[in-house]
Amino acid sequence: EAQVTQNPRYLITVTGKKLTVTCSQNMNHEYMSWYRQDPGLGLRQIYYSMNVEVTDKGDVPEGYKVSRKEKRNFPLILESPSPNQTSLYFCASSRGLGPYEQYFGPGTRLTVT
Amino acid sequence: AQSVAQPEDQVNVAEGNPLTVKCTYSVSGNPYLFWYVQYPNRGLQFLLKYITGDNLVKGSYGFEAEFNKSQTSFHLKKPSALVSDSALYFCAVGIYSGAGSYQLTFGKGTKLSVIP
Repeated sequence: EAQVTQNPRYLITVTGKKLTVTCSQNMNHEYMSWYRQDPGLGLRQIYYSMNVEVTDKGDVPEGYKVSRKEKRNFPLILESPSPNQTSLYFCASSRGLGPYEQYFGPGTRLTVT
Repeated sequence: AQSVAQPEDQVNVAEGNPLTVKCTYSVSGNPYLFWYVQYPNRGLQFLLKYITGDNLVKGSYGFEAEFNKSQTSFHLKKPSALVSDSALYFCAVGIYSGAGSYQLTFGKGTKLSVIP
């Protein structure tokens, strides 16, 4: 089954404790991205990657890091989480940019206290 | 800069009635337009897209959308709403800039409630 998986699905952590949210896709997609969803703000892109070792900032990259060492994986790293990073996070992948629809993971709900 | 507006935070419709979820956009150039649906505790799912050609696009679950270039709109429609259509709907617009970069922007979402 074609899918994007994320782990963990739920995470409660404390300010400053480094964490990683994993994302993996099994569709051999070139393009992957991370979004955060906040009430009243919709989806905002954090980072994206157009291929292995190629990443770029989205609209709200501050406080986040990513890496793309393998085509299928695109982890999101919060080196020093803060309460304003409490949000619902989605990973997505697609065949490429432009006319291609994105496939979304199930989401990770992060709470930073 | 491009932008996407979903002017209604919430739309309520009776089951069996037609539904419309509105989306307008502002871009320079020819956009790619998308609709996604998010059910509770789930990720977004692709519904339909407009790339080029026929202005009326048909998608999953009986949904369709009409691209109107003069009004810069891409409203989502369905002739007869089902209770199971109740969800959060996102419009998105993508465009290549003159510098060759691509930007995809999502609207803030519209919550659709279909009342039995």
